[in-house]
Amino acid sequence: ETGVTQTPRHLVMGMTNKKSLKCEQHLGHNAMYWYKQSAKKPLELMFVYNFKEQTENNSVPSRFSPECPNSSHLFLHLHTLQPEDSALYLCASSQARGGNRNEQFFGPGTRLTVL
Amino acid sequence: SQQGEEDPQALSIQEGENATMNCSYKTSINNLQWYRQNSGRGLVHLILIRSNEREKHSGRLRVTLDTSKKSSSLLITASRAADTASYFCATDGGAQKLVFGQGTRLTINP
Repeated sequence: ETGVTQTPRHLVMGMTNKKSLKCEQHLGHNAMYWYKQSAKKPLELMFVYNFKEQTENNSVPSRFSPECPNSSHLFLHLHTLQPEDSALYLCASSQARGGNRNEQFFGPGTRLTVL
Repeated sequence: SQQGEEDPQALSIQEGENATMNCSYKTSINNLQWYRQNSGRGLVHLILIRSNEREKHSGRLRVTLDTSKKSSSLLITASRAADTASYFCATDGGAQKLVFGQGTRLTINP
């Protein structure tokens, strides 16, 4: 276990549904990340949060809405998704400062299928 | 883009043999990292090598970095069945943005 948990592990939703992905880290980190991993494509960074503030939005469509209520929790709210949004969504955390700030710890991911 | 590109895309070897994977990137970096991913799971950090380092070891792992060629290699010695996974390099150019390659799928045959 990496100290980063994600729920649910699997999610199937229709294009008109609204759902949320949850990530929690127990490592005392203050930076959290959302990544998207699609088949046959490199892992794509979506959002970065430092000390609860969003510091990076990698041109992600507005149908993905992140929320970071505190340094330990990160959500990804989903609405009116498209079938091409089906992917593995990975959460990660790291220190925001210091020598090890670039080592990221990943959760197991949520496998999302959009019908 | 400073996207890392791994080579080969897939590698199949016998247990006990050494496995070597390569990564190339395009722009200057602060550090380069290697991660492992078991099928359908999250990534696990293996090793980080900074831009001023040339070689680093961790257990059965050996990583080299050649910034003049913008390339890195990951060597796994005495491979085991449990090493079967996908391996990714990730380049860090700053601002907490890791850019991942497409990975090498490593299969260790018993």
